[in-house]
Amino acid sequence: AQSVTQLGSHVSVSEGALVLLRCNYSSSVPPYLFWYVQYPNQGLQLLLKYTSAATLVKGINGFEAEFKKSETSFHLTKPSAHMSDAAEYFCAVTGGGADGLTFGKGTHLIIQP
Amino acid sequence: EAGVAQSPRYKIIEKRQSVAFWCNPISGHATLYWYQQILGQGPKLLIQFQNNGVVDDSQLPKDRFSAERLKGVDSTLKIQPAKLEDSAVYLCASTYSRDFQETQYFGPGTRLLVL
Repeated sequence: AQSVTQLGSHVSVSEGALVLLRCNYSSSVPPYLFWYVQYPNQGLQLLLKYTSAATLVKGINGFEAEFKKSETSFHLTKPSAHMSDAAEYFCAVTGGGADGLTFGKGTHLIIQP
Repeated sequence: EAGVAQSPRYKIIEKRQSVAFWCNPISGHATLYWYQQILGQGPKLLIQFQNNGVVDDSQLPKDRFSAERLKGVDSTLKIQPAKLEDSAVYLCASTYSRDFQETQYFGPGTRLLVL
């Protein structure tokens, strides 16, 4: 079984500042990890995914995440926040096979002007 | 390429009524998922189809929820009778295959309010 914990239901940063959204996972098998973004009244859009290749994964819109097995973490970062980054961010895990995705509760990112 | 289509976008019903949601996945996508997203939580998988067969429905409340994908393309999710706690956004997603590395493409969702 898999689970995801996202630390901080709300994160507020200033425009131009570093964005750091935290995700820790639990998995009984080698995990595959995803970050999705959800804008108001829209479906989820994939930002990036880790599928056992490079541990540092680059995604869309300048986001990246690093898989750290020893820390069971997959934190999402962006060097410089933009107002358009304001949204809900979800970390998700799957163990593969017939498993669907298991999502965290989400982190609402607020960008202060 | 057209995305995942869902309808209706919004629905308000009273408890004990029935409701149905429709999803049309991306053309050629064999795998289809229905998720329930309660306010303040992440999406929870309800059911997964591979073509017209059910792969996983372990989290579907089968006493009131049902889903079908008769021709292996579009799908319908039904709730009968609805309860207050069913108020949520119902998301449909699809992938080309069951390969877990594949990206799931999500529709805009149907927002259900049960009064």
